[in-house]
Amino acid sequence: GAVVSQHPSWVICKSGTSVKIECRSLDFQATTMFWYRQFPKQSLMLMATSNEGSKATYEQGVEKDKFLINHASLTLSTLTVTSAHPEDSSFYICSALDNQETQYFGPGTRLLVL
Amino acid sequence: SQQGEEDPQALSIQEGENATMNCSYKTSINNLQWYRQNSGRGLVHLILIRSNEREKHSGRLRVTLDTSKKSSSLLITASRAADTASYFCATDSNTGKLIFGQGTTLQVKP
Repeated sequence: GAVVSQHPSWVICKSGTSVKIECRSLDFQATTMFWYRQFPKQSLMLMATSNEGSKATYEQGVEKDKFLINHASLTLSTLTVTSAHPEDSSFYICSALDNQETQYFGPGTRLLVL
Repeated sequence: SQQGEEDPQALSIQEGENATMNCSYKTSINNLQWYRQNSGRGLVHLILIRSNEREKHSGRLRVTLDTSKKSSSLLITASRAADTASYFCATDSNTGKLIFGQGTTLQVKP
């Protein structure tokens, strides 16, 4: 099946710093990628839709200035958590949509903000 | 906001038994998908069933969809210890976005 990678797999940072997470589709082109957040023992919550060549679409309650998304190419989307705080600590997962309606998920990035 | 509910929230069975998980959703859908997530890992796509389909099989997996009741079930037959994971249903309302259910945590005891 299709492969999606994320980098880094985990990151620890100090409060107030910014963290960039990369999501890459390795063997297919994805005009649309999605970013999710998952808190412990909870389900995935969609944060935003990343569209190549245009601005991301954010879900209600997600601050676009806090979570910057850049879909730089057909195989790369980045999520930057700006001025991270402890409450931003979570598991961030991206997915890439192929042309068969299937979303392929990355392995996730665990963020811990101290 | 979450689309719907899954039940049970947790399920513990012996190896070899069948496991059934249910998912309900609220709005009309284009398709419904089931995913598996091992602890602390990403999601693995299991099966997609379209709104005009009623049943689908893939190996030991059987998925049903009842659009009149807005519900779906996932049956894993002859379970194995390696099936231990969380299982999520997710619905696509033809927007490409997936809305996930709360998930069922399955434990298969050897």
